[in-house]
Amino acid sequence: DTAVSQTPKYLVTQMGNDKSIKCEQNLGHDTMYWYKQDSKKFLKIMFSYNNKELIINETVPNRFSPKSPDKAHLNLHINSLELGDSAVYFCASSQFLAGGESTQYFGPGTRLTVL
Amino acid sequence: QKEVEQNSGPLSVPEGAIASLNCTYSDRVSQSFFWYRQYSGKSPELIMSIYSNGDKEDGRFTAQLNKASQYVSLLIRDSQPSDSATYLCAVTNQAGTALIFGKGTTLSVSS
Repeated sequence: DTAVSQTPKYLVTQMGNDKSIKCEQNLGHDTMYWYKQDSKKFLKIMFSYNNKELIINETVPNRFSPKSPDKAHLNLHINSLELGDSAVYFCASSQFLAGGESTQYFGPGTRLTVL
Repeated sequence: QKEVEQNSGPLSVPEGAIASLNCTYSDRVSQSFFWYRQYSGKSPELIMSIYSNGDKEDGRFTAQLNKASQYVSLLIRDSQPSDSATYLCAVTNQAGTALIFGKGTTLSVSS
């Protein structure tokens, strides 16, 4: 069983389109994340949800809107896609512990290409 | 902006040698520290976590933490070609709610 899964694995789309990426975890964790990894492989936090509540929203354009229907799912919707949105998007999950002493498990990633 | 700094590499070592990867971080209140390995085209996977000063060993891997110097390192003993990957250093933010990653060090182990 895959612990953290994402769909789709690849997404190729035109500038200006709207797209969604879905993430599901079956680890029973209470916290989920979205990270963006750019072409230089730099991995940066975008959003973090704990028990379906948004706890981190880094300086991400408001074209990006996360949604957590339940603790096991965290989806990412992107409006009006731009060329600079091309990247690999990773979902991750963890069980929140004080001090951050918890392991984050990453999904396989979604490679988004905006043409 | 809190930062995590790593040498980008590539770091090249022969098979069987010790690979030493270094990381410094700027936020003095960071409490938890992680090393992730990422193969090309794959997702990051946890190699080591360390929370207190000193050394932590797991098989061929040893993580070292010095909070006073804001320094974390990873030693890989008896390096194997399968260790060739990018190694990402990560520290928790102040609230412990997210990881701040370095840009990674690419390790190449030649046979």
